[in-house]
Amino acid sequence: DAKTTQPNSMESNEEEPVHLPCNHSTISGTDYIHWYRQLPSQGPEYVIHGLTSNVNNRMASLAIAEDRKSSTLILHRATLRDAAVYYCMLYSGAGSYQLTFGKGTKLSVIP
Amino acid sequence: EAGVAQSPRYKIIEKRQSVAFWCNPISGHATLYWYQQILGQGPKLLIQFQNNGVVDDSQLPKDRFSAERLKGVDSTLKIQPAKLEDSAVYLCASSFPFKRTQYFGPGTRLLVL
Repeated sequence: DAKTTQPNSMESNEEEPVHLPCNHSTISGTDYIHWYRQLPSQGPEYVIHGLTSNVNNRMASLAIAEDRKSSTLILHRATLRDAAVYYCMLYSGAGSYQLTFGKGTKLSVIP
Repeated sequence: EAGVAQSPRYKIIEKRQSVAFWCNPISGHATLYWYQQILGQGPKLLIQFQNNGVVDDSQLPKDRFSAERLKGVDSTLKIQPAKLEDSAVYLCASSFPFKRTQYFGPGTRLLVL
């Protein structure tokens, strides 16, 4: 199974941009890159996903390296409500249903 | 729109007892997932259903864990007998058919003493 590697923790100042990295060097050509975040005592919440091209939505942006071996979730202006554990996940798009969550990055936002 | 419902929210049992968790997915979501999340780790997929058929249960400890999804809607995950290492949060998620964006429930926190 493809694996993901993320830093254990990161800090950001409020209203500053945050770049959360994820390495997935064994990604296959049909794996989609998903990001979820999890607040304490809640289930994970979908943030964004992509395959090859960079993606934007109202929550964040996803930058995918040209070789697809890494990706970066970008929060443009961190708020206190963005403090959570962020998970990078690979989900096979090739007719199989294999998916793998990483260990996550705990983001702390400093007021 | 109602989200994914799970019950109970908390459960404390002794080792070797049995326990069951229930999940009601979002209406119209044919795909249902059960995850185990141990404290400090990412969710680990246990089993995935498409309607009432299993599409992946490769990480389900089948000697003690079982799951079913009758009629392709609600699902139940059972542990029998429970071990100390089963203490975790059990998450249920659902998605539309062939869409991989998952919607998670709040989870059931299990403590095995």
